[in-house]
This record gives sequence, structure tokens and C-alpha cells, in this order.
Amino acid sequence: AQSVAQPEDQVNVAEGNPLTVKCTYSVSGNPYLFWYVQYPNRGLQFLLKYITGDNLVKGSYGFEAEFNKSQTSFHLKKPSALVSDSALYFCAVSHYSGYSTLTFGKGTMLLVSP
Amino acid sequence: DSGVTQTPKHLITATGQRVTLRCSPRSGDLSVYWYQQSLDQGLQFLIQYYNGEERAKGNILERFSAQQFPDLHSELNLSSLELGDSALYFCASSGGFWGTDTQYFGPGTRLTVL
Repeated sequence: AQSVAQPEDQVNVAEGNPLTVKCTYSVSGNPYLFWYVQYPNRGLQFLLKYITGDNLVKGSYGFEAEFNKSQTSFHLKKPSALVSDSALYFCAVSHYSGYSTLTFGKGTMLLVSP
Repeated sequence: DSGVTQTPKHLITATGQRVTLRCSPRSGDLSVYWYQQSLDQGLQFLIQYYNGEERAKGNILERFSAQQFPDLHSELNLSSLELGDSALYFCASSGGFWGTDTQYFGPGTRLTVL
């Protein structure tokens, strides 16, 4: 069975500072990893995904994520946080081809203060 | 805007009742997924359809059922509703059924069971 852990319920960062939202995964075989963001009363928006290749993946709104196979991690990062980045962030994993269902972490609330 | 539409946006009903949630996928997408988001369970995969056929099943209760129609829209039927069924129900769509596919989420239907 595949699983995702987001160890922090909330991350607080000041505007302009770098941010990191942590994610670790467990899956047999090669993982396909995703980050989504949810703003209040909205659906999930896709940010980026890792399939294969370069361990540093760039996505929407200046976000990037680093895949680390040895640490089974896929942390989301941004060099300079904006107040508008405040939202709920979800990490998700899917499995090898044939089944595309996503297993989500519990989510991390990011709060960026002015 | 993801291109995935869901109706209704809000639904308030009583215990024991039956409701139908509707989802239209992005143009060209053949897979539709249903997820339930609640405070205690987080985001849980319910069921996936691909081109009209059930493709994968998650933690879907027997009181719940879904189908995908020839025009690719999907409906999630929830019956004998209980208070614990109150949640946000998301539909997502993707082009195929591979683990590498990106799923695009609709805005959700908020179900309140009184």
C-alpha cells in the first residue's frame, strides 16, 4: 500500500523568506509524486509533479520540489514567500502505470505573514 | 479554472435521504475520479471511471455508487445518508489512467446532512 506523510500541520513563514513544506512517501516501486494547493472554498489546484529525470521539479507560481529517493522525500519549496501563498498544501503519490489513483497526505497549512 | 465542473455547489439534506452529485470532466479527458474530503478522514479516493467503465475502487461505502455516461460526465449517488457523510466531494479528471497523469480537480460539492 502507498502512503504519504506531511509531518507539519502548519508552517509559518514571513513574506520574502524561503519556505519549505515537507512530504515523505512510501510506495513499492517507482513513485509518481504530486503537489496540489487548496485555497479556502476552492478545489485543488495542481502545482507540479515528479515522474522521472531531474530531481528538482519546477512548477506553477514559482514553486519547486526536490525529489530525494534515498530519503523518500518530496519537499515543496519557494525561494521567496508571498502572503498570497497562504493556503493548504497537499502532497500525493500514485503508483506505476495501470492505476492512477492518488493517495494524499493530510495537508499542511502554510501561513505567510506580511 | 481547471475546466472540471461540478453541480451543485452546495447541498443540504436530511439523514436517510438520497442525493446525486454531478461532474463534467475537462474536454478530452476520459477518466473521472471522485474524492471525499472531511476533517477527520482527509482526502480519500472513492472511485474512478475510465471511458464509461469502472477502473478502480477506493474507500467507497456500499451506500454510494457512481457511473460515467457516454458523454463522459459522471454522477455520484449517495443514499441512506448519515450525519457522517457530510463532507466536500471532489471530482477530478485526467486524460488516461496512468500513474503519471495529472488529475485536475473541480470546485467541489459541499454536502451537509442534518
